[in-house]
Amino acid sequence: GEDVEQSLFLSVREGDSSVINCTYTDSSSTYLYWYKQEPGAGLQLLTYIFSNMDMKQDQRLTVLLNKKDKHLSLRIADTQTGDSAIYFCAETEDSGYSTLTFGKGTMLLVSP
Amino acid sequence: EAGVAQSPRYKIIEKRQSVAFWCNPISGHATLYWYQQILGQGPKLLIQFQNNGVVDDSQLPKDRFSAERLKGVDSTLKIQPAKLEDSAVYLCASRQLAQNTGELFFGEGSRLTVL
Repeated sequence: GEDVEQSLFLSVREGDSSVINCTYTDSSSTYLYWYKQEPGAGLQLLTYIFSNMDMKQDQRLTVLLNKKDKHLSLRIADTQTGDSAIYFCAETEDSGYSTLTFGKGTMLLVSP
Repeated sequence: EAGVAQSPRYKIIEKRQSVAFWCNPISGHATLYWYQQILGQGPKLLIQFQNNGVVDDSQLPKDRFSAERLKGVDSTLKIQPAKLEDSAVYLCASRQLAQNTGELFFGEGSRLTVL
């Protein structure tokens, strides 16, 4: 079955860049996502990338996809304390009927 | 636009008791999911509905878990009898059929503690 792996914890200082990494096993993955979960809240979509793209930039967020190595990364520029949360990588084969498979999440702690 | 609504937010029960969770998806979203999120882990799919039909319930422990979406709108997830290992957050999510981005919209979750 599909598997999504992430590093569990990342600590950075405010103003630094954060890079969260993810690897997946399903070669049929066509859509890859980054979700953010704040304490006591549900998951919120941050950004997504299609498998035919290498990079996507959205304000402070940059997503890099290496399809050959099945590696996805999320870079947050100028990290703020409000970015402290758990970040989940997820993948699916299609946007219609397939479900999303999530990693275990990376806890990002931003210190002042 | 109203988001995905879930209730109750918190529930504490003793093992072998039963519990039910309710979810109302975003209006017009045909697909509804129940995920289980155990502390320190990512969400794990329990069941997926398309309108009022089940698409995938392969990971639902059917000896104790049941779910329904009778009118194709809101849904209930029931656990009977509960075990200690059922302590988790139960997340409901919905999405539009054939949405370009495939984005799932999540509710805030129902946190279950089984003592």
